[in-house]
Amino acid sequence: EVHLVESGGGVVQPGGSLTLSCAASEFTFSNSWMYWVRQAPGKGLVWVSRISSDGSFTNYADSVRGRFTISRDNAKNTLYLQMKSLRAEDTALYYCTRDGGYRKFDYWGQGTLVTVSS
Amino acid sequence: DIQMTQSPSSLSASVGDRVTITCRTSQSMSNYLNWYQQRPGQAPKLLIYDVSNLQSGVPSRFTGSGSGTDFTLTISSLQPEDFATYYCQQSYNIPWTFGQGTKVEIK
Repeated sequence: EVHLVESGGGVVQPGGSLTLSCAASEFTFSNSWMYWVRQAPGKGLVWVSRISSDGSFTNYADSVRGRFTISRDNAKNTLYLQMKSLRAEDTALYYCTRDGGYRKFDYWGQGTLVTVSS
Repeated sequence: DIQMTQSPSSLSASVGDRVTITCRTSQSMSNYLNWYQQRPGQAPKLLIYDVSNLQSGVPSRFTGSGSGTDFTLTISSLQPEDFATYYCQQSYNIPWTFGQGTKVEIK
């Protein structure tokens, strides 16, 4: 079965940086558009960013554009989210998820927690 | 951005009850409307895609319907494992947006 495992979360000070990773397995990673979705503590789901299957096309939510960069390494079956100039409002559980066709998120990782605090 | 409004925000129901959750979008869209279930401490799980298509492995007591700007998720007979938060999500326009969630609690 499809497996997505996020890592790289932690506690960081405001203005700091962090890079998240998502290791994918049991599917052809290079064929799938990939996404990051986040969830602040006790809150709902928020779409953050997406990247095309070959990495040539990306989109970002307005709240992170210019600060976050999504990328992928298809040879390593890994998705990344580089986060800079972090703010308290970026505190959330960050999920990696894939578009399984028909524009739906059919598999999700368990998430990695990012806490921005001084 | 397309706004997604779910109602109710929460509800209390008993095992065996029929439960209906609605999702209203700020603009009409094609069929790009999905529903997810999230149990406490777990990642979201896809239930319904393209308004009414049941994701593989999801029990048939879950059904989706609707068109235009009004969509519905129905659970025909609530089971203990269905107590969770449910989200609608549109994938018609970037940024793909979610509803605020509907928490289904035990009465």
